[in-house]
Amino acid sequence: DTAVSQTPKYLVTQMGNDKSIKCEQNLGHDTMYWYKQDSKKFLKIMFSYNNKELIINETVPNRFSPKSPDKAHLNLHINSLELGDSAVYFCASSQDYTEGETQYFGPGTRLLVL
Amino acid sequence: RKEVEQDPGPFNVPEGATVAFNCTYSNSASQSFFWYRQDCRKEPKLLMSVYSSGNEDGRFTAQLNRASQYISLLIRDSKLSDSATYLCVVRRGNKLVFGAGTILRVKS
Repeated sequence: DTAVSQTPKYLVTQMGNDKSIKCEQNLGHDTMYWYKQDSKKFLKIMFSYNNKELIINETVPNRFSPKSPDKAHLNLHINSLELGDSAVYFCASSQDYTEGETQYFGPGTRLLVL
Repeated sequence: RKEVEQDPGPFNVPEGATVAFNCTYSNSASQSFFWYRQDCRKEPKLLMSVYSSGNEDGRFTAQLNRASQYISLLIRDSKLSDSATYLCVVRRGNKLVFGAGTILRVKS
């Protein structure tokens, strides 16, 4: 049973393309997140949704647009991909966003922009 | 200066050794603290939360010093399977802020 799943696991694409990454959690959690882990291994929050409502929107280019059709899904669409977008993107979820809640991560999507 | 700083390592230790990692955080408004573990090409997983009173989970002991704004993780009797990157994490508001991680390699 996969708690937090992401598709695709690998994504290789050309600059300028538009791509989407999908995330689903079957834990019944209310809160979901997107993180980016760059080549220096820093994991940074990009977005968070609680019950389909955006609660965190870090300083991310507006080429990145999250969409949460329901609380079990949080997708990430990226327009006009750039070389610097190459990274591992992790989805995560938690019961809610209050202090102390453990976040569970998906396996990651490795994006390479050529 | 990064909000959460860790020595990147790597720490190369023999099996059975005791190893300690430290981490410092810059924002005194940080509310709660964690250690996550990330295996190579895998996702981060919560190892343990860190409390001011210190807490232990088997071979792992975590300590928090709020006055000095540092967090530590002690691993006793290291196993080969402990080889991983250990991420120091602080919570500020509704966000988790991650350090870049400390690499541990346990060798037989």
